[in-house]
Parts: sequence; structure tokens; C-alpha cells
Amino acid sequence: DTEVTQTPKHLVMGMTNKKSLKCEQHMGHRAMYWYKQKAKKPPELMFVYSYEKLSINESVPSRFSPECPNSSLLNLHLHALQPEDSALYLCASSLNRDRENEQYFGPGTRLTVT
Amino acid sequence: DAKTTQPPSMDCAEGRAANLPCNHSTISGNEYVYWYRQIHSQGPQYIIHGLKNNETNEMASLIITEDRKSSTLILPHATLRDTAVYYCIVRVEGGFQKLVFGTGTRLLVSP
Repeated sequence: DTEVTQTPKHLVMGMTNKKSLKCEQHMGHRAMYWYKQKAKKPPELMFVYSYEKLSINESVPSRFSPECPNSSLLNLHLHALQPEDSALYLCASSLNRDRENEQYFGPGTRLTVT
Repeated sequence: DAKTTQPPSMDCAEGRAANLPCNHSTISGNEYVYWYRQIHSQGPQYIIHGLKNNETNEMASLIITEDRKSSTLILPHATLRDTAVYYCIVRVEGGFQKLVFGTGTRLLVSP
């Protein structure tokens, strides 16, 4: 299995809602990543987990809360988002931090905040 | 990490070779060249990487000049499905630095 899966594919939420994005991989990778991508822009790193511990937070607002319950699963909890948070949210994984330059990406969740 | 320069867009006819250039004149000795691509509405896909020798895999070939200041990604027989944004990234292997995507080259493969 060489796939990173993300659910849901699309999500529409109001500014007062709480929702979660889910990412899963079964490649035995020990590093997982969340990226945000606005239209016509390159992906930007948000968080890095290495061996289920948060190792990088790129000064992301607290309304985004990552969680790594186990080595295969990565969640992104969303609360009180703003319309400007509408974007494609990408999850990626790599074997470990030493191989972080070879990342496998999921298809993304397209989030719309109304 | 060294900065890279790529043309914003390129065209290629289906079945022909697509040669995507990348300049990285400030690359240092321990930095690798990585290529990713992103097909519309999909996540980026790792293609290939190299240090100084030319590399080939089932997707593409990577040619790095002897002085390592530039490289070319070659898709030998481009198909319509190769239409994508191609990102050239230069950085050390491993470490605790983030992968930074530049603006890339938008390749359009036409029939």
C-alpha cells in the first residue's frame, strides 16, 4: 500500500463549526505533515509530526489543532475558522525525518469556510 | 537552502520529450536537487532526486550539470497526463528543515 488517504474530499463549514480532517497511511512512515495550499499558490507547510510527536509548528493559528493518535493516523481539528482559511489541505508522509525530502501526498481536502 | 529559478510555463507536444530547466547557482556541495509535480486538484507527487550524477527512474530522467548550478528534468515521451506544475527544490538530505515549494513551471502538454 503506497497511498496516503484523506477524508473528507470536500468540506463546507461555518465559522462557528467544529470539524476534523483525517489522514491515514499504511506505509510504515514515521513522519507526517500538514500543508495548506491556496489557489494558484504552492503548498505551505503547517505542521510536522515525527514518531507521533509534533516537531514543527509553522506559527499556525490555534484554530487549527493537529493530532497524531498513532503512527498511521493524522488529524487536523478545525474550530472557529475564518473565510480566508478556505484552501486545499494536504497531508503527506515520509519514511522518517531523514527521508523527509521524499514525501508522499494525499489528494487533499478542499475546505470552504462560509 | 539554495534558491531555484524555473520558467513559469512551458508547452510540449504529446509524444515529444519535455525538458524542464532549473537554475540553482548557489547550490552547496551537500544539497540535493528534488523534483515534484502537482497535477491539477491533486497532491504533489515526488518524481526524482539527485546529487551530482544523472538519475533515471520509471517516470523521468534528471540531468545535473557538472558544476551543479543547473539541472533539467526530462520526461522522455510526454503525455496529456503529464500536464502539471513541476517544482524543483534544492536542499540537504534529512535534517530538520521544511520542504519549501517555489512557484514551479506549469507544463502544458497538447495533442
